[in-house]
Amino acid sequence: QQQVKQSPQSLIVQKGGISIINCAYENTAFDYFPWYQQFPGKGPALLIAIRPDVSEKKEGRFTISFNKSAKQFSLHIMDSQPGDSATYFCAASIAGNTPLVFGKGTRLSVIA
Amino acid sequence: GAVVSQHPSRVICKSGTSVKIECRSLDFQATTMFWYRQFPKQSLMLMATSNEGSKATYEQGVEKDKFLINHASLTLSTLTVTSAHPEDSSFYICSARTGQASYEQYFGPGTRLTVT
Repeated sequence: QQQVKQSPQSLIVQKGGISIINCAYENTAFDYFPWYQQFPGKGPALLIAIRPDVSEKKEGRFTISFNKSAKQFSLHIMDSQPGDSATYFCAASIAGNTPLVFGKGTRLSVIA
Repeated sequence: GAVVSQHPSRVICKSGTSVKIECRSLDFQATTMFWYRQFPKQSLMLMATSNEGSKATYEQGVEKDKFLINHASLTLSTLTVTSAHPEDSSFYICSARTGQASYEQYFGPGTRLTVT
């Protein structure tokens, strides 16, 4: 049973556009929701993360929107650039030493 | 962010031999480290959780006698793939939590293992 569902599987966005990736979770005990960016042959890099006590968090061009009642959260990349082309993973975990549960990933391609 | 290193970045070994992969937290002490395996174009699959000074907790389906994990210090965890076979070829990635009360988890750059 997949606990974090991520969509779309792949996404093509024009340079300067907004990239939007969505995730839905099932376990209401999750209280930490990070997004990771991964380039081919590299490890995932932590981009931005949110806790359920806020509905939005912004860091530069990256914004997480969180909807606790709908059990959904999304990543918005504003002014998308070709250098943003990568695979993005959403994840969730419960406080303490529990491992992250990952979505299946979204391959983003930003074209000029 | 915190820095996690892995060594080696790439390794090729013959079938039947063992390979050790090191994961180090460079600028923080990691009480908990995680080992993942990633197949091409797929998500990360958690193999085991490693706590300093205690035995690793393996996920269902992961052979603990084949994938030996040792977390000997607060900055070093090792994964040894014993009697490697071609089907063990994969991208292995470790991660570390920055503290017992920390939610943030930082990943190493990964190790590409090819078993011939």
